[in-house]
Amino acid sequence: ETGVTQSPTHLIKTRGQQVTLRCSSQSGHNTVSWYQQALGQGPQFIFQYYREEENGRGNFPPRFSGLQFPNYSSELNVNALELDDSALYLCASSEPGVYYTEAFFGQGTRLTVV
Amino acid sequence: AQSVTQLGSHVSVSEGALVLLRCNYSSSVPPYLFWYVQYPNQGLQLLLKYTSAATLVKGINGFEAEFKKSETSFHLTKPSAHMSDAAEYFCAVGAGGTSYGKLTFGQGTILTVHP
Repeated sequence: ETGVTQSPTHLIKTRGQQVTLRCSSQSGHNTVSWYQQALGQGPQFIFQYYREEENGRGNFPPRFSGLQFPNYSSELNVNALELDDSALYLCASSEPGVYYTEAFFGQGTRLTVV
Repeated sequence: AQSVTQLGSHVSVSEGALVLLRCNYSSSVPPYLFWYVQYPNQGLQLLLKYTSAATLVKGINGFEAEFKKSETSFHLTKPSAHMSDAAEYFCAVGAGGTSYGKLTFGQGTILTVHP
């Protein structure tokens, strides 16, 4: 059984550019959630995908968008990058059929916007 | 709406001493509560979870937490700290139904363990 994997591990982008982060969910998990963790803060919920549909969104602007693929892997896209987008981006997958949320997290992608 | 408050951004203990990390939550629905640990430059690892079964929850690495509805608390404890426990700890609250998968985290508590 493989865990949640994210790529790349580190990324440096220039303000105004676009970025795509990738996440492979744990085997058998059909739900993927994305979180942003700024330095010194707790993770903040961006959005969740369940069976390829967005299923809940946090307080993030539309330039944060996502996709989930038939194999349940997921992408997070951020357009028009701003300096404040610099953060650790965490992906979490959840077990299907489990009513309560038990999220398994990946190692994260460290995004630096300069 | 849900929220989590972790009291104390930094906690320092001696090796072998009791660890107590405090978490208070607010939730308009019966909550699901979690404690996660994060080591430097790593993701989050689940320590334990409360899902409306036993109020005293045992987790990995000797940690446990007690759900107290009257106090809206879910404090994390470990009887004897080990050097390897040094990390950042996050308390989180989740909701069921259509909101499952969305966790609201506290600001985190950095635990330092002195020899």
